Amino acid sequence: DQQVKQNSPSLSVQEGRISILNCDYTNSMFDYFLWYKKYPAEGPTFLISISSIKDKNEDGRFTVFLNKSAKHLSLHIVPSQPGDSAVYFCAASSSGSARQLTFGSGTQLTVLP
Amino acid sequence: KAGVTQTPRYLIKTRGQQVTLSCSPISGHRSVSWYQQTPGQGLQFLFEYFSETQRNKGNFPGRFSGRQFSNSRSEMNVSTLELGDSALYLCASSFLQETQYFGPGTRLLVL
Repeated sequence: DQQVKQNSPSLSVQEGRISILNCDYTNSMFDYFLWYKKYPAEGPTFLISISSIKDKNEDGRFTVFLNKSAKHLSLHIVPSQPGDSAVYFCAASSSGSARQLTFGSGTQLTVLP
Repeated sequence: KAGVTQTPRYLIKTRGQQVTLSCSPISGHRSVSWYQQTPGQGLQFLFEYFSETQRNKGNFPGRFSGRQFSNSRSEMNVSTLELGDSALYLCASSFLQETQYFGPGTRLLVL
């Protein structure tokens, strides 16, 4: 039973355009969400997070949107750059087990020059 | 501030052997979590340690164990290795809230 789902295994975007990565979750106990970027054979790099008390959080080119009623979050990257090409993981946790992250299966983003 | 470090980076073992992986968290971080990444199962939580105590455990067999020392460094041990234990093992540390910062991982190959 996948509690965090990233339904798009891959996404290609032109350089300079917006990249939108999506994530759905089923566990209503999740109250903290994170996005990580990962290159092969390396550890995930933290990008941005959002608490369930918010519906939007921005950090530079990265914005995360949370729709609690739909149990959906998205990561927007504007503008996209070739260096953004990587696998992006969505992760979630609940207050009761705050340091146990449940990850989605990842989306491979390719930014074309 | 130095990031999370993991040693060794690569390891080759044979079935039936045991292995110990090491993780040094970011200075000041007291929580250390371990994850396993495989192509089939993705990133899965193994366990979490805080102040030398295991606080949380994922759905892995008892062959997977860990410990944390008073300086917050952590070790993970896998006994009686199986082919399916081949994976990237990731350690993450955190200070407050839920943001975890990951190390580069240890790539384990079981032959």
